[in-house]
Amino acid sequence: EAQVTQNPRYLITVTGKKLTVTCSQNMNHEYMSWYRQDPGLGLRQIYYSMNVEVTDKGDVPEGYKVSRKEKRNFPLILESPSPNQTSLYFCASPLPGNTIYFGEGSWLTVV
Amino acid sequence: AQSVTQLGSHVSVSEGALVLLRCNYSSSVPPYLFWYVQYPNQGLQLLLKYTSAATLVKGINGFEAEFKKSETSFHLTKPSAHMSDAAEYFCAVSVSSSASKIIFGSGTRLSIRP
Repeated sequence: EAQVTQNPRYLITVTGKKLTVTCSQNMNHEYMSWYRQDPGLGLRQIYYSMNVEVTDKGDVPEGYKVSRKEKRNFPLILESPSPNQTSLYFCASPLPGNTIYFGEGSWLTVV
Repeated sequence: AQSVTQLGSHVSVSEGALVLLRCNYSSSVPPYLFWYVQYPNQGLQLLLKYTSAATLVKGINGFEAEFKKSETSFHLTKPSAHMSDAAEYFCAVSVSSSASKIIFGSGTRLSIRP
């Protein structure tokens, strides 16, 4: 079964404490993306990756880092989280032809 | 640059009534257009997509959308609303066949009245 798996699903952390949200896909896709969802703003792309070691900024990359050392994994790193990064995060993996598989989401609260 | 505007952040219809969710897009090149649905506490599920084939696109759960280039619109409709249709709906546009860059609208929350 095609899956995008992200962890943790729920996290409360404190300002400045580094955290990583992992994302893994089992479809051997080249493309992977991270989005954040905020009320009234829809989903906004943070970073995307077109292949191993190839990443690029999306619309809201400030405060985030990513890496793509292997095809299946695309972790999102918050080096020094701040309260404005409290959000619902989605990892996604699109197929050519534009069908996107989304993870179930990670609720992050920064206090 | 492409963009998406969804008119109405909240739409409420009676069960059995027509559902119409509006989406207008802006794109300098022929776009790929999508509708996604998000049920409470879940991820996004693709309802339907337009990729330059037929202008009337049928999706899952009885939804369909019509691509109208002259109006730059891609409105989502369903003839008869069901209680299970209550969810948030997102329109999205891409100009890349790779789907590496997709722009989402701000979403429309659909409520169904008994």
